[in-house]
Amino acid sequence: DSGVTQTPKHLITATGQRVTLRCSPRSGDLSVYWYQQSLDQGLQFLIQYYNGEERAKGNILERFSAQQFPDLHSELNLSSLELGDSALYFCASSAGGGNSPLHFGNGTRLTVT
Amino acid sequence: AQTVTQSQPEMSVQEAETVTLSCTYDTSESDYYLFWYKQPPSRQMILVIRQEAYKQQNATENRFSVNFQKAAKSFSLKISDSQLGDAAMYFCAYRYSNYQLIWGAGTKLIIKP
Repeated sequence: DSGVTQTPKHLITATGQRVTLRCSPRSGDLSVYWYQQSLDQGLQFLIQYYNGEERAKGNILERFSAQQFPDLHSELNLSSLELGDSALYFCASSAGGGNSPLHFGNGTRLTVT
Repeated sequence: AQTVTQSQPEMSVQEAETVTLSCTYDTSESDYYLFWYKQPPSRQMILVIRQEAYKQQNATENRFSVNFQKAAKSFSLKISDSQLGDAAMYFCAYRYSNYQLIWGAGTKLIIKP
């Protein structure tokens, strides 16, 4: 158990809809990362937060947004969903230091129909 | 820009044998961190091993060890006494300071019984 909790585990929704994915980092971890992984693909970095502030941005679409709250949990909002958004969305957390590994949640599997 | 290259899309090994997965990276930094993660069919992301660039000694975790060649910018993973449970995608990752990880494309490891 990595200590990172992601909800929900599975999500099925229709095109054009909006969903929110939630992540609770490991206790004490200040950094939260969001990744997208399509079938048989590598990890695509979306965005990183550190102690409530946006730290780095990757290939995140304008239809996607995220935030990290004062209690350090994070939410990823996906709107105007398209079929191509179907993927596994991972949240990871780390303590913040460079040698601190990322600890991953089990992911949210999003299916857009 | 930093990049990570895994030149072997797929590798196979006989159970109980030893296999080495390759990873090279490109960076102009002198102090950084390297990681190997595995992703089994369950699609969890699991940290296998990590290496600090300032350490000359190669990291070891039970049956997993690395061959870190800083001058060659090479970071290979050796798995000894391969087991069926080692079958997974293996991702190499680089990190400078506390920024986001730069990921390789992954190597699929098949274990033959």
